[in-house]
Amino acid sequence: GDSVTQMEGPVTLSEEAFLTINCTYTATGYPSLFWYVQYPGEGLQLLLKATKADDKGSNKGFEATYRKETTSFHLEKGSVQVSDSAVYFCALSDAGGTSYGKLTFGQGTILTVHP
Amino acid sequence: DAGVTQSPTHLIKTRGQQVTLRCSPISGHKSVSWYQQVLGQGPQFIFQYYEKEERGRGNFPDRFSARQFPNYSSELNVNALLLGDSALYLCASSLVQGKETQYFGPGTRLLVL
Repeated sequence: GDSVTQMEGPVTLSEEAFLTINCTYTATGYPSLFWYVQYPGEGLQLLLKATKADDKGSNKGFEATYRKETTSFHLEKGSVQVSDSAVYFCALSDAGGTSYGKLTFGQGTILTVHP
Repeated sequence: DAGVTQSPTHLIKTRGQQVTLRCSPISGHKSVSWYQQVLGQGPQFIFQYYEKEERGRGNFPDRFSARQFPNYSSELNVNALLLGDSALYLCASSLVQGKETQYFGPGTRLLVL
């Protein structure tokens, strides 16, 4: 079945540092890929998405490129802020036989940014 | 426009009891999905409903059931609660089913004692 693997956390950075959170996936078809962010005590917010190979999703300084050849969707940000501290989830929306579009999530990566 | 809303926000139940969680999708969205998020893990898919019909079901026991109403709101029911059902239950809505973007509500935090 479909699966998503994220880099082990937690990740601790100083403000203005460069961020990379690795995400790789396994899927039978051509999934859409997403990054969601979860702040303490809240639900998930969509951060960015990409629907086909070589698409780049971007939002609030975050970027991720859909790489079909390496089955990856790594999240990057050039300069993190304290307010970026949260849990980040990589997810895919299936495109298999059912095609009803359930989301399959990675285990999440905790990011802490210090001033 | 209002986002996805869920009620209640928090709930405490004892083992063996039954619980009903409610979700209202974004206006115009016809698909609702339910996810369970255990502390420290990613959300796990439970159900998806579209146009009032169940379109997908995850690997959860029959104690879990759901339905969608004509106004596209949804309820998730869990019977015979177990300690392991303690989790954040998330509802997500999308315009239609398929690879559409899903937008999440704040969740209902259920504690089973």
